[in-house]
Amino acid sequence: DIQMTQSPSTLSASVGDRVTITCRASQSISSWLAWYQQKPGKAPELLIYKASLLQSGVPSRFSGSESGTEFTLTISSLQPDDFATYYCQQYNGYLVTFGGGTKVEIK
Amino acid sequence: EVQLVESGGGLVQPGGSLRLSCAASGFTFSSYAMSWVRQAPGKGLEWVSSISGGGGGTYYADSVKGRFTFSRDNSKNTLYVQMNSLRVEDTAVYYCAKVRSMTSVTSGAFDIWGQGTVVTVSS
Repeated sequence: DIQMTQSPSTLSASVGDRVTITCRASQSISSWLAWYQQKPGKAPELLIYKASLLQSGVPSRFSGSESGTEFTLTISSLQPDDFATYYCQQYNGYLVTFGGGTKVEIK
Repeated sequence: EVQLVESGGGLVQPGGSLRLSCAASGFTFSSYAMSWVRQAPGKGLEWVSSISGGGGGTYYADSVKGRFTFSRDNSKNTLYVQMNSLRVEDTAVYYCAKVRSMTSVTSGAFDIWGQGTVVTVSS
């Protein structure tokens, strides 16, 4: 099974900061990676799919990139609505795996 | 409006059974693979199972294989998961989710999620 290692697990940041979250796959997943935002008590929301494609309706301050088996979610300028938990997900093949999550907290 | 609504959650004793449903609306249900994803209290997301648009292909996480059965009725736009031999560690919010791309046979990015239904396994 493909393992997804997400880091950091917690991140403290201020409004306006540039924030980077990383996910590393245990083997090649091509670009079959998605990023989600989840707020307490709510279902996750899709931000990015196929590593770098922005889901419709998602603000352009969110972006995704890849380098080999390492994937990055960047928030260019953190907004108050962005304090949440973020998950990566690989979908290479029949099985799906999520990263452990990154909680973005107010500094 | 594209929508998924789960139902069927509740409290069940260890070893018991439960059937969850997920009613879909606002899109051509039979054209999309679907999945169940769960989240234990205070924990991260865990993929549980996926089913192809036609229902012919189903895939399960090792943690539920042999105990959970995923099915769909495309005439009713509804997903089901039959959960047997439930364990305390199956306690979670269960979400159904729609795969974003029509060309994805089984798995993909999930663009639509239900609100979740709570399953509690406890004696």
